[in-house]
Amino acid sequence: AQSVTQLDSHVSVSEGTPVLLRCNYSSSYSPSLFWYVQHPNKGLQLLLKYTSAATLVKGINGFEAEFKKSETSFHLTKPSAHMSDAAEYFCVVSILTGGGNKLTFGTGTQLKVEL
Amino acid sequence: AAGVIQSPRHLIKEKRETATLKCYPIPRHDTVYWYQQGPGQDPQFLISFYEKMQSDKGSIPDRFSAQQFSDYHSELNMSSLELGDSALYFCASSLKGNRQSTDTQYFGPGTRLTVL
Repeated sequence: AQSVTQLDSHVSVSEGTPVLLRCNYSSSYSPSLFWYVQHPNKGLQLLLKYTSAATLVKGINGFEAEFKKSETSFHLTKPSAHMSDAAEYFCVVSILTGGGNKLTFGTGTQLKVEL
Repeated sequence: AAGVIQSPRHLIKEKRETATLKCYPIPRHDTVYWYQQGPGQDPQFLISFYEKMQSDKGSIPDRFSAQQFSDYHSELNMSSLELGDSALYFCASSLKGNRQSTDTQYFGPGTRLTVL
């Protein structure tokens, strides 16, 4: 079975400081991993995805994530936080089925950005 | 660029009533997925359709049914509504084609269902 674990339910940073949101995955074979962001009362927006190409994946809004097989991790980072980054972030693993793929979400990390 | 459209955006129903949620995928996308996100919860996969056929089933109650139509839009029908059905329902679409690889899912804004 494939799953993801988000290690922090809440992360608080100051504006302009780095962001690190941690995610570990469990998979019996090479997984496809995603980060989605959800702003309050909004839908889910794709930040970035890893599908066995480059291990360092660059996404939108300055976010990036590095796939580390040895550590089974896919942490999300951003060099400098902005107030507009405050949202909930989901690490997601994709399970390929006969008709497509279904996503299994982590429990989410709420990012708070303070002045 | 066109995105996934869901309607209605908000819906209020009484217990034991029925509800129908609609999803219009991104043009040319052939796969639709439905997810349920309870208050403070992560989204849970309900059901998916590929080329108008059900392709996978998750934790969807028997009271719920769904289908994908010839124009690829999908409807989620919910009957005998319960208080616990109050949630945000997301639809996502993707282009699978004939690839045996992971397709990226793009989510709609969701329908917020409140059952009173």
